[in-house]
Amino acid sequence: NAGVTQTPKFQVLKTGQSMTLQCAQDMNHEYMSWYRQDPGMGLRLIHYSVGAGITDQGEVPNGYNVSRSTTEDFPLRLLSAAPSQTSVYFCASRDRGQGYQETQYFGPGTRLLVL
Amino acid sequence: GNSVTQMEGPVTLSEEAFLTINCTYTATGYPSLFWYVQYPGEGLQLLLKATKADDKGSNKGFEATYRKETTSFHLEKGSVQVSDSAVYFCALSLLRNTGNQFYFGTGTSLTVIP
Repeated sequence: NAGVTQTPKFQVLKTGQSMTLQCAQDMNHEYMSWYRQDPGMGLRLIHYSVGAGITDQGEVPNGYNVSRSTTEDFPLRLLSAAPSQTSVYFCASRDRGQGYQETQYFGPGTRLLVL
Repeated sequence: GNSVTQMEGPVTLSEEAFLTINCTYTATGYPSLFWYVQYPGEGLQLLLKATKADDKGSNKGFEATYRKETTSFHLEKGSVQVSDSAVYFCALSLLRNTGNQFYFGTGTSLTVIP
């Protein structure tokens, strides 16, 4: 198993440009999430999905769109990049599990710089 | 609300020193507690977890005990190694209608010097 994979590893954008951060998992996990990691802020949840065709907003959803057409893939779209979106983005997945037993698996991250 | 507070870093220790990273939480309900570790250039990895009060999670020489009375989950290791240099995140999860909701602390950077 490759686990959770993310592409690209690093990206530089100009303000106003759009891009899609890719995330895929091969563990057949139902739950997938996108977080951003900023200094002194820890990880903050952007969007999440509880299964194909179902997505919902997290703590900081503005400026980001997601879709979940398959169990494996959960892309994150920036429609018009802003400097405030400079961050490290992590995708995570987990199985439905049994209540509190769920453990998240994280991808290696995408480092995004918006100029 | 629900939140996790962990000690400010960075922390610098000599090899074989004793490590404590404090973590306290606020939660409505009965959370599970986690410690994740992030090595340079990598994503977060689960280090240990505890799912109910008085449980002790342990892995790779690290330990943490779920203390409900003090709402704490402090991470400890008796003798750190250079390879333990990383950022450590305390987290909690609460069961919601759509599954577990996770809350992360801000992370504590640990550097171990030979």
